[in-house]
Amino acid sequence: EADIYQTPRYLVIGTGKKITLECSQTMGHDKMYWYQQDPGMELHLIHYSYGVNSTEKGDLSSESTVSRIRTEHFPLTLESARPSHTSQYLCASRDSYEQYFGPGTRLTVT
Amino acid sequence: LAKTTQPISMDSYEGQEVNITCSHNNIATNDYITWYQQFPSQGPRFIIQGYKTKVTNEVASLFIPADRKSSTLSLPRVSLSDTAVYYCLVGDIAPSGGSYIPTFGRGTSLIVHP
Repeated sequence: EADIYQTPRYLVIGTGKKITLECSQTMGHDKMYWYQQDPGMELHLIHYSYGVNSTEKGDLSSESTVSRIRTEHFPLTLESARPSHTSQYLCASRDSYEQYFGPGTRLTVT
Repeated sequence: LAKTTQPISMDSYEGQEVNITCSHNNIATNDYITWYQQFPSQGPRFIIQGYKTKVTNEVASLFIPADRKSSTLSLPRVSLSDTAVYYCLVGDIAPSGGSYIPTFGRGTSLIVHP
C-alpha cells in the first residue's frame, strides 16, 4: 500500500477564497507531481518537483502554485478559487520504477 | 517523448481474456513501457512494466514484440471489478532519465459485463 496522503478528500468552497491542498508521502521520493482530472477525462499535469526547492509547471496552464520545502511535503495553493477550478486533484510521487498516487482531493468551487 | 495510441474503449464479459494494445512508434532505446489502472474517483495504480518480450505478474501479462513499437496488456479471465481505465505510458524511468515526466493520455475504458 502506497504511503501518500492527501487532505482534504473533499472541499466545497466559495469563489475568491484561498485554499491549500495538502500532499505528503513517507517513502522519501524526490519526484512528486500534481495532476488535475475532470470526470471521464485524462489526467493533466499541472506541477512537478524533482526535489527540495525544485518546482516546475506542467503542461496544463494553472493558476495554482506549489512549494517543496521538505522532501515529504508538496502542497498546492490556489490564491483565489474560481468555479473553473472545480475538479479532482491527484498528487503522486515516483521512485525509479513506478508512480504512487494519493486518494485525490475533490474540489468544488461555488 | 514517445507518443502512445490506444483504443478509447473496450467491452468484454466476465471470464474472458482481454487484450489492450498500445502503439508507440517512436519509442526510444532507453524507454520502458508501463501500464496503470484507474478506478473512478481514485488515482491510477501501477499494473505492470516491461522493456521487451514478455512480463507476467499476478495481475496481468505484458507482451512486447521485438521492434517494441507496440505492446499488449493481457488481463486473464476478467471480472466485473476489472472495469476501469487502463493507461499505457512510455519513458526512460531510470534514475539517470531525470527528464521523464509521466504523461497520461485518455487511456482505454474497459467495461466488463456480467
